[in-house]
Amino acid sequence: QLQLQESGPGLVKPSETLSLTCTVSGGSISSGSYYWGWIRQPPGKGLEWIGSFQYSGNTYYNPSLKSRVTISVDTSKNQFSLRLSSVTAADTAVYYCARPGFCGGTSCYMRSWFDPWGQGTLVTVSS
Amino acid sequence: EIVLTQSPGTLSLSPGERATLSCRASQSVSSSYLAWYQQKPGQAPRLLIYGASSRATGIPDRFSGSGSGTDFTLTISRLEPEDFAVYYCQQYGTSPLTFGPGTKVDIK
Repeated sequence: QLQLQESGPGLVKPSETLSLTCTVSGGSISSGSYYWGWIRQPPGKGLEWIGSFQYSGNTYYNPSLKSRVTISVDTSKNQFSLRLSSVTAADTAVYYCARPGFCGGTSCYMRSWFDPWGQGTLVTVSS
Repeated sequence: EIVLTQSPGTLSLSPGERATLSCRASQSVSSSYLAWYQQKPGQAPRLLIYGASSRATGIPDRFSGSGSGTDFTLTISRLEPEDFAVYYCQQYGTSPLTFGPGTKVDIK
């Protein structure tokens, strides 16, 4: 059974870089053509897609965050990471990693629903 | 960017009643690429429906989705106590992927 788990600092100072890691178990990031993604949810608010990537190299970001976001992968640890630079209080949120599930034949698609999700990790931006 | 609007914001119902939740898109969602999620406090969203009407694995048949174009509906035929939660729609027909603001279903 595929499981995802987010980890990283719960507190980041304004103007600094937020860094989170998603550890995948029960499946390999580098197998198949699956995408892997990040989504966030400010406290008491709705969900926002941050970006998705495929091991083969395709990476897509939400244009609203694109200038500040980098998603990378460490296949040796079966992990992928999120870096968000120049954070402000508006970046305070629960950050989720999740796997886009839309696949057909041997291909998978970035434009997809998400299933499964990690449990999420709260990151607060404050001095 | 496709903006999704959900209504009502809050739906107050009793167990056993039928719930009808609406999701409206600012432009047509291609190929009915719309999903629904359930979220309970402190938990990650749980996929219920994809492709506007296909139930995800393990989802009870009291949950059903319908619609196309710009208007989509999630129906819960008979509310169970565990169904009181917030429900989000998400479109994946066009990038960026976007979510609606949610509908809270609470106990009347």
